[in-house]
Amino acid sequence: AQSVSQHNHHVILSEAASLELGCNYSYGGTVNLFWYVQYPGQHLQLLLKYFSGDPLVKGIKGFEAEFIKSKFSFNLRKPSVQWSDTAEYFCAVNPDGGFGNEKLTFGTGTRLTIIP
Amino acid sequence: DAGVIQSPRHEVTEMGQEVTLRCKPISGHDYLFWYRQTMMRGLELLIYFNNNVPIDDSGMPEDRFSAKMPNASFSTLKIQPSEPRDSAVYFCASSHRGTSLGADTQYFGPGTRLTVL
Repeated sequence: AQSVSQHNHHVILSEAASLELGCNYSYGGTVNLFWYVQYPGQHLQLLLKYFSGDPLVKGIKGFEAEFIKSKFSFNLRKPSVQWSDTAEYFCAVNPDGGFGNEKLTFGTGTRLTIIP
Repeated sequence: DAGVIQSPRHEVTEMGQEVTLRCKPISGHDYLFWYRQTMMRGLELLIYFNNNVPIDDSGMPEDRFSAKMPNASFSTLKIQPSEPRDSAVYFCASSHRGTSLGADTQYFGPGTRLTVL
């Protein structure tokens, strides 16, 4: 079965530091990739998604992610984090891109804490 | 649009009681998903529906869990009887029909925090 790995369970950074959160998946076929964010006490919201085309995807709030097919990775980046980025970040994969399979497999999440 | 609506937001019950969680998806969305989030297991998909029909319920933990979607604007997740290990946050999400490229964005509700004593 497909799986998604987020190796960083808790990341602590100071404001203005650069961020990179890792995401690796285990599926050899076509995939669609997502990053969701969950701010404290809130529901999950979409940050960005990749379906096809340019492997460098830009999302909201200055986040971007790069799909590297050869590495089965979709790492999330932000050049300069803010205190308001404190949240939990989830990578998700939809394998078998195409009609009929809407299932997302989520990683276990990475908690990001930004110190002012 | 009001987004995905879930009720109740918090539920505290005693072991053995029946619990019913409710979800109203975004109008026009064809897919509805139920997830469970715990510290130990993260975010797990329990079941999802397409046009009110259950498509994949392989994530439903056991027979104590059941889900229905009687119409396009309402779904329930029922636990009977409830157990302390069912304590978690239960999220409902909905999405529009995916494109030929695959699944589209899922929009999550605020969740129901369930505590079973």
